[in-house]
Amino acid sequence: GQQVMQIPQYQHVQEGEDFTTYCNSSTTLSNIQWYKQRPGGHPVFLIQLVKSGEVKKQKRLTFQFGEAKKNSSLHITATQTTDVGTYFCAGQPIIQGAQKLVFGQGTRLTINP
Amino acid sequence: DAGITQSPRYKITETGRQVTLMCHQTWSHSYMFWYRQDLGHGLRLIYYSAAADITDKGEVPDGYVVSRSKTENFPLTLESATRSQTSVYFCASTRTGALGTQYFGPGTRLTVL
Repeated sequence: GQQVMQIPQYQHVQEGEDFTTYCNSSTTLSNIQWYKQRPGGHPVFLIQLVKSGEVKKQKRLTFQFGEAKKNSSLHITATQTTDVGTYFCAGQPIIQGAQKLVFGQGTRLTINP
Repeated sequence: DAGITQSPRYKITETGRQVTLMCHQTWSHSYMFWYRQDLGHGLRLIYYSAAADITDKGEVPDGYVVSRSKTENFPLTLESATRSQTSVYFCASTRTGALGTQYFGPGTRLTVL
């Protein structure tokens, strides 16, 4: 079936360092979403990208959707302790037609203050 | 504004028992989803529903049953629980299917002994 792979699985950084997580799909996606899950919490929507090559920014967070709509990335500039959590990408495979998302395995970010 | 709630929040049961996890949303969202979250697998879709009385299988439906007689409720039943079903279960809802924000409930942590 469709797969969405996310790397790395874990990332530990010093506070102030940058962080990037990558998401790759085996099939073309109609859209990709990013979610953040704090430890012990539930996933919370961050953003959705729909257009090929789209780039969106939310303060220190930059999201990109690849030209082929098969990959995406989330980059955090100058991490803060509030950025701790697991970041998930989720895409809707274009060939499927069904209204469901396929989630990546997530990247767990820990930060040394 | 209650949003989306799940009950129970924690459940311990024994192998072979039937367990029902409840999900309730107050937004009248058409789409509802059940995911399970396991370390290394991210969020995997069990079942989803596009509307009352319309349900469809996700990635890992075996051993689970769902129903949706009312728009606001989407219960998930484990007919005969197995240890491999020990997991954290999240319910989510969205107004617009996969093209839109998914709002997650707080989760149910289920342990099958």
